[in-house]
Amino acid sequence: EVQLVESGGGLVKPGGSLRLSCAASGFTFNYAWMNWVRQAPGKGLEWIGHIKSEADGGTTDYAVPVKGRFTISRDDSKNTLYLQMNSLTPEDTAVYYCSRRLISDFWGQGTLVTVSS
Amino acid sequence: DIQMTQSPSSLSASVGDRVTITCRTSQNIDNYLNWFQQKPGKAPRLLIYAASSLQSGVPSRFTGSGSGTDFTLTITSLQPEDFATYYCQQGYSTPYTFGQGSKLEIK
Repeated sequence: EVQLVESGGGLVKPGGSLRLSCAASGFTFNYAWMNWVRQAPGKGLEWIGHIKSEADGGTTDYAVPVKGRFTISRDDSKNTLYLQMNSLTPEDTAVYYCSRRLISDFWGQGTLVTVSS
Repeated sequence: DIQMTQSPSSLSASVGDRVTITCRTSQNIDNYLNWFQQKPGKAPRLLIYAASSLQSGVPSRFTGSGSGTDFTLTITSLQPEDFATYYCQQGYSTPYTFGQGSKLEIK
């Protein structure tokens, strides 16, 4: 059974940093392109970035609002995806989801990040 | 960036009705279009990928069509569990933008 479990969310002050994790199981993680998607309270879905498999170069791409502040990485030995978030602002307050593959066929349950003083 | 225009933003319907949601993209995306369903407090669920391919486990009353810039999601014979918000997403080029969502409510 495919499972994605996010963790690491919480309350952080503006300008602070946070690292989210997404633990994967039930599939061959190292073959999968992985995404991070967020949803601000009461708003729609926003794709924020992805990382390709190492076999496809392991490269990353980001949406403009997070480029230069957020970094996606992966540890295939731990079947874990990461999202390092720096210079956080209140506009980054959202539930953060990881999802699998270009078509996002599986999603985690999400982890809430609140940026507030 | 590819812009997504999804309509309607909200609609109301009754159990048993047929509903259609449309998604228009600002440029040709071939068939790189996905549809998701989201219920309150839950993660999105993939319904349709590649514009018209039904994801495993999704009921056949959900159908997707279109290519290029115009796409539709049709739900025939609405069931109580179908009342939710629906999103389209293009997977043609990054950033993989979503539509703004269509909230389907019970009439």
